[in-house]
Amino acid sequence: EAQVTQNPRYLITVTGKKLTVTCSQNMNHEYMSWYRQDPGLGLRQIYYSMNVEVTDKGDVPEGYKVSRKEKRNFPLILESPSPNQTSLYFCASSGLSRGETQYFGPGTRLLVL
Amino acid sequence: AQSVTQPDIHITVSEGASLELRCNYSYGATPYLFWYVQSPGQGLQLLLKYFSGDTLVQGIKGFEAEFKRSQSSFNLRKPSVHWSDAAEYFCAAFTGGGNKLTFGTGTQLKVEL
Repeated sequence: EAQVTQNPRYLITVTGKKLTVTCSQNMNHEYMSWYRQDPGLGLRQIYYSMNVEVTDKGDVPEGYKVSRKEKRNFPLILESPSPNQTSLYFCASSGLSRGETQYFGPGTRLLVL
Repeated sequence: AQSVTQPDIHITVSEGASLELRCNYSYGATPYLFWYVQSPGQGLQLLLKYFSGDTLVQGIKGFEAEFKRSQSSFNLRKPSVHWSDAAEYFCAAFTGGGNKLTFGTGTQLKVEL
């Protein structure tokens, strides 16, 4: 089954404790992206990657890092989480053709205390 | 800057009634337009998309949307709403570089039985 998986689905942590949210897709997609969803703000792009070792900032990259060492994986790293990063995070993937449908993971709900 | 606006934060309809969710975009050219649905605790599922051609687009679950260039709108419609349609609906536009999707802030649909 074609899918995007994220782990963990739920995470409670404390300020400053480094964490990683994993994202994996099995559709051989070149493009992967991270979004955060906040009430009243919709989804905002954090980082994206057009291919292995190619990443770039989205609209709200501050406080986040990503890496793309393998085509299928695109982890999101919070090196020193803060309470304002409490949010619902989505990973997405697609092909590179303009306007291709993006497939979303189930989301990771993060609470930073 | 490109933007997507969903003017209605919440909408309540009775089961069996018709539904229209509004979406307006701001973009110089014709964007690629999408409607996604997010059921509680779920990721985003694509309902339909518009790239070009016929301005009335059919999607899954009985939804359709009409692109109106003169009004910069891409409203989502359903003739008869089912209780299972209760969810949050997001309009999005692919407006260029980086395969980035720009999302509206979402419309929460409640269905009264």
